[in-house]
Amino acid sequence: LAKTTQPISMDSYEGQEVNITCSHNNIATNDYITWYQQFPSQGPRFIIQGYKTKVTNEVASLFIPADRKSSTLSLPRVSLSDTAVYYCLVGGWNTGNQFYFGTGTSLTVIP
Amino acid sequence: KAGVTQTPRYLIKTRGQQVTLSCSPISGHRSVSWYQQTPGQGLQFLFEYFSETQRNKGNFPGRFSGRQFSNSRSEMNVSTLELGDSALYLCASSSGDSGPETQYFGPGTRLLVL
Repeated sequence: LAKTTQPISMDSYEGQEVNITCSHNNIATNDYITWYQQFPSQGPRFIIQGYKTKVTNEVASLFIPADRKSSTLSLPRVSLSDTAVYYCLVGGWNTGNQFYFGTGTSLTVIP
Repeated sequence: KAGVTQTPRYLIKTRGQQVTLSCSPISGHRSVSWYQQTPGQGLQFLFEYFSETQRNKGNFPGRFSGRQFSNSRSEMNVSTLELGDSALYLCASSSGDSGPETQYFGPGTRLLVL
């Protein structure tokens, strides 16, 4: 079962690029990597998902090396509203798989 | 489309009681997953239902159970409540098709056990 490890917290100044890395050494062949953002007392919100190499959308990029044992979420030019907890989720969608959220990384953006 | 809705939003129970939480997925979604979130354990997967069948299950005791109806709405039941069951219970829905999916989360039900 693929479990994940993330830094517990990070601080960044407004306007900087932030990179959050997630380790998932036991990732299975059919597992995808998904990142979520969560604000206090709200449900997590989907940010980005990928299987390998690089994925980019309007809010973030996801880098996945060839061995897929880790992944890095990149947030360009963060603002105060990006202060939140970011979770890495590794899981497949076939019968018998389970889904683990990482410990979460609490990102604080400083003015 | 309306998002995932959960009822009730807040609940207070006493030890030994049971509780039922409800989740209405996004229209057209057939998969509903439940998670428990606590400050100490973070987000933990409870179970997933797809087409009225439990498809995946996390490592929770049998006091935690669920079901899904033909309209994909889901309920989660916790019997013989313990103080440690106090948590935010989150429901997430997705299409349920094979391959990678996006889960859409509801606002959660905050349960307090006294």
